[in-house]
Amino acid sequence: NAGVMQNPRHLVRRRGQEARLRCSPMKGHSHVYWYRQLPEEGLKFMVYLQKENIIDESGMPKERFSAEFPKEGPSILRIQQVVRGDSAAYFCASSPSSDLPFFGQGTRLTVV
Amino acid sequence: EDQVTQSPEALRLQEGESSSLNCSYTVSGLRGLFWYRQDPGKGPEFLFTLYSAGEEKEKERLKATLTKKESFLHITAPKPEDSATYLCAVQPRSGGYQKVTFGTGTKLQVIP
Repeated sequence: NAGVMQNPRHLVRRRGQEARLRCSPMKGHSHVYWYRQLPEEGLKFMVYLQKENIIDESGMPKERFSAEFPKEGPSILRIQQVVRGDSAAYFCASSPSSDLPFFGQGTRLTVV
Repeated sequence: EDQVTQSPEALRLQEGESSSLNCSYTVSGLRGLFWYRQDPGKGPEFLFTLYSAGEEKEKERLKATLTKKESFLHITAPKPEDSATYLCAVQPRSGGYQKVTFGTGTKLQVIP
């Protein structure tokens, strides 16, 4: 059983471009969480999704950021018109229920 | 607002030199306190969950303890492979995992 798969592992975008981060949860997991980690800062919750539903997006910036978890396929975190401050490591975690999730290896986004 | 403070920020130990990492927390009713290990470029890896003051859990050279205000991660006779950042996190009684607050971590380096 493969773990939580995130791709790409590294992503470089120029300011103003769009970034799409993908997360394939573990088999049988229907709950997905997205986090952002900045150097010297803790993991910050962004959004919690179940299949086809956003359950809690209280940690997501109101503009430029969106997330989805369709019935088929991976969960996507989308950042439009990226700025330098969006540079960070983005982690996805998945669980079969609302219990403790497993984390993926992360996507490191660099905005140049 | 829930808070987690970890100390020290960084710790350098000789192989075999035992020590403790501290996690001080304030939370509106504790559902659980988590310890994770994070290697460079990787996602957090779950170590322990503690639920109530006085509880202890052990895994190999690691032992986690919990009081009403703090948790300690004791490392006995560490080896170089224990080098990593150790994260502490708390979940309030009133929320799901998306309400978990993470500390900024203690970066442990074990020198051979």
